[in-house]
Amino acid sequence: DVVMTQSPLSLPVTLGQPASISCRSSQSLVHSSGSTWLNWFQQRPGQSPRRLIYKVSNRDSGVPDRFSGSGSGTDFTLKISRVEAEDVGVYYCMQGTHWPLTFGGGTRVEIK
Amino acid sequence: EVQLVESGGGLVQPGGSLRLSCAASGFIFTRYAMAWVRQASGKGLEWVSGISGSGGNTYYADSVKGRFTISRDNSKNMLYLQMNSLRAEDTAIYYCVGDYGDLEAFDFWGQGTMVTVS
Repeated sequence: DVVMTQSPLSLPVTLGQPASISCRSSQSLVHSSGSTWLNWFQQRPGQSPRRLIYKVSNRDSGVPDRFSGSGSGTDFTLKISRVEAEDVGVYYCMQGTHWPLTFGGGTRVEIK
Repeated sequence: EVQLVESGGGLVQPGGSLRLSCAASGFIFTRYAMAWVRQASGKGLEWVSGISGSGGNTYYADSVKGRFTISRDNSKNMLYLQMNSLRAEDTAIYYCVGDYGDLEAFDFWGQGTMVTVS
């Protein structure tokens, strides 16, 4: 199975400051089709997960442009340019290239 | 508006069975692969099972293979998960998920239904 490793586990951030979450996979996420199925999800407290980013860097409709995704191969990053109070929650990366589908362990973003 | 509404969760004894349902609305159901993802209390996300839009292809995590069966009724816009031989470690919130592709990106999620095996 592809292991997805996120860091840090917890990320205290000051409002208005940037935040960065790393996600590394145990093998390349480049699919035979050429696509790289690395996605990012946000789970706010008490809510179900919501997708923010798909295929590394494509932002979903309604997602603020302060969220951005980047990376390639086995190394990926989710960045929040200026953290707002509504960004508190747990962020998960997920790979959809290899079976079984796997998630990272999550990164908890909190306000300092 | 896209909606996924899960039901069927509850308390069941070890070795028992439960059938989860997911009612879909607001999108063309047959064009979407569907999946179940679970989350134990305070833990991360675990993909459980998936099914293609036609229902012709099904997929399972090793942890549930042989015990769980995913199915869909495209005439009713419904997704199901039949769970047999339940174990304590199956205790979790179970989310219904829709995917426009081939289960690569999990486009949207339901609110979940709680399953407790005890």
